[in-house]
Amino acid sequence: KAGVTQTPRYLIKTRGQQVTLSCSPISGHRSVSWYQQTPGQGLQFLFEYFSETQRNKGNFPGRFSGRQFSNSRSEMNVSTLELGDSALYLCASSATTTGVGQYFGPGTRLTVT
Amino acid sequence: DQQVKQNSPSLSVQEGRISILNCDYTNSMFDYFLWYKKYPAEGPTFLISISSIKDKNEDGRFTVFLNKSAKHLSLHIVPSQPGDSAVYFCAASAPGYGGATNKLIFGTGTLLAVQP
Repeated sequence: KAGVTQTPRYLIKTRGQQVTLSCSPISGHRSVSWYQQTPGQGLQFLFEYFSETQRNKGNFPGRFSGRQFSNSRSEMNVSTLELGDSALYLCASSATTTGVGQYFGPGTRLTVT
Repeated sequence: DQQVKQNSPSLSVQEGRISILNCDYTNSMFDYFLWYKKYPAEGPTFLISISSIKDKNEDGRFTVFLNKSAKHLSLHIVPSQPGDSAVYFCAASAPGYGGATNKLIFGTGTLLAVQP
């Protein structure tokens, strides 16, 4: 079974631009969660989607948004990029909504200059 | 407010010995805990989990112990191998209306170095 895939793996953007990251979950998994990892803040939860609906949301500004498609693939968007948005963005998929069995992708490394 | 804490940023252990990684939490409503291992430039890899109704869960060389009264959990790796060298994160599943959710709250990680 293929794992969680994320594209692109690396991205360089300029302040003020926007970016869209993509995540394809493990086949059969309907839950997709997004996390941001930075050296200063560690791994922080952004949001979770299940069956195209946002179920949980972390404490991030409205510039961070996401969506999920009917095939469970998910995208997250960051608008008006700031230098502090430079981070590793990780996607995790799960067959459940109860915390068990979350599998992470390799991440997208975003650098904002 | 750091609800999940890993107070040791690093740990060095000899190959073949036991590695003990610790984690403390503050929210008594957490009912599911997980341990992940992470290499640089990769996503975290799930290792083992434990429900709050248990005090021990074992999977091969990995055992997790939960002490609810102390709000403390630990991961034991026996015997330790050089390939175990990585950053280890503990995480708690944030509670929701129906119980545990997929919103994980992570500790800051402990870098384990297993010396040959």
